[in-house]
Amino acid sequence: GQNIDQPTEMTATEGAIVQINCTYQTSGFNGLFWYQQHAGEAPTFLSYNVLDGLEEKGRFSSFLSRSKGYSYLLLKELQMKDSASYLCAVMDSNYQLIWGAGTKLIIKP
Amino acid sequence: GAVVSQHPSWVICKSGTSVKIECRSLDFQATTMFWYRQFPKQSLMLMATSNEGSKATYEQGVEKDKFLINHASLTLSTLTVTSAHPEDSSFYICSAKGLAGMGVETQYFGPGTRLLVL
Repeated sequence: GQNIDQPTEMTATEGAIVQINCTYQTSGFNGLFWYQQHAGEAPTFLSYNVLDGLEEKGRFSSFLSRSKGYSYLLLKELQMKDSASYLCAVMDSNYQLIWGAGTKLIIKP
Repeated sequence: GAVVSQHPSWVICKSGTSVKIECRSLDFQATTMFWYRQFPKQSLMLMATSNEGSKATYEQGVEKDKFLINHASLTLSTLTVTSAHPEDSSFYICSAKGLAGMGVETQYFGPGTRLLVL
């Protein structure tokens, strides 16, 4: 079956760095996406990885290792507004998005 | 670019009535749109995939006669919750398949519709 695993909840301190991990097992792979979802709002697109390595976009970076079925989202210089759920999703061989359950990130002052 | 709108954002209705939710891609054409439902503190659950000009593909366990989907144009898909009951109260979110750059397709989400059935 297809499976996406990510931690349910993480806590970090304002100004610090946090890494949210995602492991996946899917039928085929056409890229991995990270989305941010604030409470009560729809998800917003953050990043896309299809090749191994690190993609940096401002304070957010996303890493992919296809051989390990592993990705992480790295958030630097955390701000209170970064408190949200972070969803990992993999596009499978049918170009359908398979969603993880999301990681709720709590930022403390 | 890649803006998706939903209407209405909030709806409260009586049990037994039908509710229509619209999803529009504002600045791009979307041959494929998706409808999700999300209960509090739970992940997105894909209900159906809507393809322009053809019948929607429903996920297992989703009643096609209860959740009617119409994708009549490249910019509009509608979800109608027929004979709504309190257990249908949820956050309904649509997304449209669009380009994220570098030729990659991703899903752009509408702001969601909160449905409360009394």
